[in-house]
Amino acid sequence: KNEVEQSPQNLTAQEGEFITINCSYSVGISALHWLQQHPGGGIVSLFMLSSGKKKHGRLIATINIQEKHSSLHITASHPRDSAVYICAVYGGSQGNLIFGKGTKLSVKP
Amino acid sequence: KAGVTQTPRYLIKTRGQQVTLSCSPISGHRSVSWYQQTPGQGLQFLFEYFSETQRNKGNFPGRFSGRQFSNSRSEMNVSTLELGDSALYLCASSPGQRMETQYFGPGTRLLVL
Repeated sequence: KNEVEQSPQNLTAQEGEFITINCSYSVGISALHWLQQHPGGGIVSLFMLSSGKKKHGRLIATINIQEKHSSLHITASHPRDSAVYICAVYGGSQGNLIFGKGTKLSVKP
Repeated sequence: KAGVTQTPRYLIKTRGQQVTLSCSPISGHRSVSWYQQTPGQGLQFLFEYFSETQRNKGNFPGRFSGRQFSNSRSEMNVSTLELGDSALYLCASSPGQRMETQYFGPGTRLLVL
């Protein structure tokens, strides 16, 4: 079993829809990253959080440390949000980043 | 500030060869981490350098090595290339504290034939 599990693996939405991507982890962590990767490979860090909730524009990330779960929400989705979203945690015995397999989001106009 | 740069962007090698990839961090950043991304395994941590010292290492064979220079630029080397080393290699930099936001470069796409 992977230490970081994301769901769903693939997600297709219509423009304007509210989107939720989930991340569950089994290791003790210090912090959690949400990353965005566009075709071509470049990765952008969207959020790093260790508790509560963060918001940036149409993106909201929440984390529940007790339940070892985080969610990334996108409100009023747009085709430019189409990308792979990756959850990564600082945890495990070495404290390095451990990555989920990613959620591929496609937003149709 | 200029972002993280990686060179080369694309590389084709044959089995048994070695390769060196370069990463220049954001100015002022002292930590550089390297990651391998493949379709099967996803993103995996290779190693992290801070102030010219390897601070952390992932679970990769000794064929994968790296170093960091006094200007924080970093190189990683893969010797005796195998087909399975074909991947996107990403580096990321951060100011230097552990477990902080990382800024990723565009990656080097390596194809081993």
